[in-house]
Amino acid sequence: AQKVTQVQTEISVVEKEDVTLDCVYETRDTTYYLFWYKQPPSGELVFLIRRNSFDEQNEISGRYSWNFQKSTSSFNFTITASQVVDSAVYFCAQQNSGYSTLTFGKGTMLLVSP
Amino acid sequence: DAGITQSPRHKVTETGTPVTLRCHQTENHRYMYWYRQDPGHGLRLIHYSYGVKDTDKGEVSDGYSVSRSKTEDFLLTLESATSSQTSVYFCAISPGLAGPNEQFFGPGTRLTVL
Repeated sequence: AQKVTQVQTEISVVEKEDVTLDCVYETRDTTYYLFWYKQPPSGELVFLIRRNSFDEQNEISGRYSWNFQKSTSSFNFTITASQVVDSAVYFCAQQNSGYSTLTFGKGTMLLVSP
Repeated sequence: DAGITQSPRHKVTETGTPVTLRCHQTENHRYMYWYRQDPGHGLRLIHYSYGVKDTDKGEVSDGYSVSRSKTEDFLLTLESATSSQTSVYFCAISPGLAGPNEQFFGPGTRLTVL
């Protein structure tokens, strides 16, 4: 069975600090997909990124970067020089190939203080 | 942004009453999902649909039923609401193509059962 564990329940940082949100997944499939979503205080869920299991290249998008390591079954999310607007709950999710459903972690609440 | 609306956005009801939540999409996506979000539990799948009249159960389906008579509408019904069903309910859609299936979420419905 699939399982997604988000290691930190809550993280508090001061603006401009770097912060890493950890995600560990379990699956027996060799082909799968990993996702990150953001839920700001306004409540909507925003898709951030998808990574395929056969592509371990790290990705950077502005201040956001993602580190995918199959050897440790981890898909970690780093925010560089955090800003107050980054305050949100972040969800990691996993999907096995051939299935349409996602398994979500319980989320990490990030609070960035000025 | 994906065209997904949910109605109502807020509802307060009493224990034992029936409640129907509606999800409407304008993307013509094949798959639609209902989740509930509760503190400490993250997002949990209730039911999903892979086509008109085709539905399947998710992780927490007890006490809920769904129907999909048109591609664009997916209804979630609580036949007899209980206080444990107080939650925020999210609808999501995905194209259902082979391969990765990132889901796009509606704005959510906050349901309170007194």
